[in-house]
Amino acid sequence: GAGVSQSPSNKVTEKGKDVELRCDPISGHTALYWYRQSLGQGLEFLIYFQGNSAPDKSGLPSDRFSAERTGGSVSTLTIQRTQQEDSAVYLCASSKTGGVNEAFFGQGTRLTVV
Amino acid sequence: KNEVEQSPQNLTAQEGEFITINCSYSVGISALHWLQQHPGGGIVSLFMLSSGKKKHGRLIATINIQEKHSSLHITASHPRDSAVYICAVNFGNEKLTFGTGTRLTIIP
Repeated sequence: GAGVSQSPSNKVTEKGKDVELRCDPISGHTALYWYRQSLGQGLEFLIYFQGNSAPDKSGLPSDRFSAERTGGSVSTLTIQRTQQEDSAVYLCASSKTGGVNEAFFGQGTRLTVV
Repeated sequence: KNEVEQSPQNLTAQEGEFITINCSYSVGISALHWLQQHPGGGIVSLFMLSSGKKKHGRLIATINIQEKHSSLHITASHPRDSAVYICAVNFGNEKLTFGTGTRLTIIP
């Protein structure tokens, strides 16, 4: 596609429910990243994919968070048993290859846990 | 600890003024990125640099590796430049570590 696409753009969920956030990277980009932007916290790294593998998942805040990538393309970030502190904007970015490259960001998914 | 600090946190200026936003980091890096985020919008990459200086239109980014410091300059600022500017760094790996951002407001 023309850019990184994320869906949904907004999600309101009840505390305790599971949510799935989707990221469609730029076609041909092998590296994919998930970041989180919380109010007052700034941007923080969650997980990095190279192809379908996740060599760095050090930023996932708890075992309620998981992510997968299939076909070297679409990625899904899943949050189980959501808590109010999970409310944030979840941003996906992709790069042509691994290593240090320009990152292209999606518009983000705003998650609100009520 | 790998840290990125930006200053100022907030900056308000008159249209036409020369703008400087600063970024410093704690240890050696592979690359430094300047990003722009408009209200309610996504993030756009402005520059990626590992040495020297880059220029794109009215935007200039410089980096001093020895001083562990980078600056983003905007010449002839315009209200459409109003946004949050974020410095982000690769500390020798692929993931980005972000500064807290500088909220820039340009008044007509």
